[in-house]
Amino acid sequence: EAGVAQSPRYKIIEKRQSVAFWCNPISGHATLYWYQQILGQGPKLLIQFQNNGVVDDSQLPKDRFSAERLKGVDSTLKIQPAKLEDSAVYLCASSLDRGSGPIYEQYFGPGTRLTVT
Amino acid sequence: GESVGLHLPTLSVQEGDNSIINCAYSNSASDYFIWYKQESGKGPQFIIDIRSNMDKRQGQRVTVLLNKTVKHLSLQIAATQPGDSAVYFCAENKYSGNTPLVFGKGTRLSVIA
Repeated sequence: EAGVAQSPRYKIIEKRQSVAFWCNPISGHATLYWYQQILGQGPKLLIQFQNNGVVDDSQLPKDRFSAERLKGVDSTLKIQPAKLEDSAVYLCASSLDRGSGPIYEQYFGPGTRLTVT
Repeated sequence: GESVGLHLPTLSVQEGDNSIINCAYSNSASDYFIWYKQESGKGPQFIIDIRSNMDKRQGQRVTVLLNKTVKHLSLQIAATQPGDSAVYFCAENKYSGNTPLVFGKGTRLSVIA
């Protein structure tokens, strides 16, 4: 079974520029997550989608970050404008439809390493 | 806010020895805990989980122990191998509902051949 795909794998931009990341979840997984992982720390949830609806975006810096999952499959995460502190690995994960039921295992992609200079 | 934490940032063990990685959690409402392994350049990979109605759960070469009294979680790896070298994270959540996973900062395990 194919895993979670992410692109690009690496990106270097200057502060105040914009950047977009793409994620393709495992086929059939209704729930999609974007995490930010700063070096030396555990992943932190930015946003969770169930199909094409947002379930939780409470930790998404909405003044500069946006995410969408228009057709309930692929998703993009955008940062505009980027700041130095946005340097991190951005991980996408997917799971079966959680809803309000029991938690299902999250499968993570390899991540996109962003460096903001 | 409450978060999952770890006692030791790094751990070095001899190949063949057993490894013990510890984790302290502070949210008493959490009832589901997961250990993840993250190798360099990869996303976290599920190792083993445990619900709060259990004290111990065993997998292949791994055992997770949960002590709810002191809010402590540990991962034991038997006969540690070079391929076990990675960063290990514990994470907590509610088994039902839609609360997010909360990860700790991680412990780097280095296996000495």
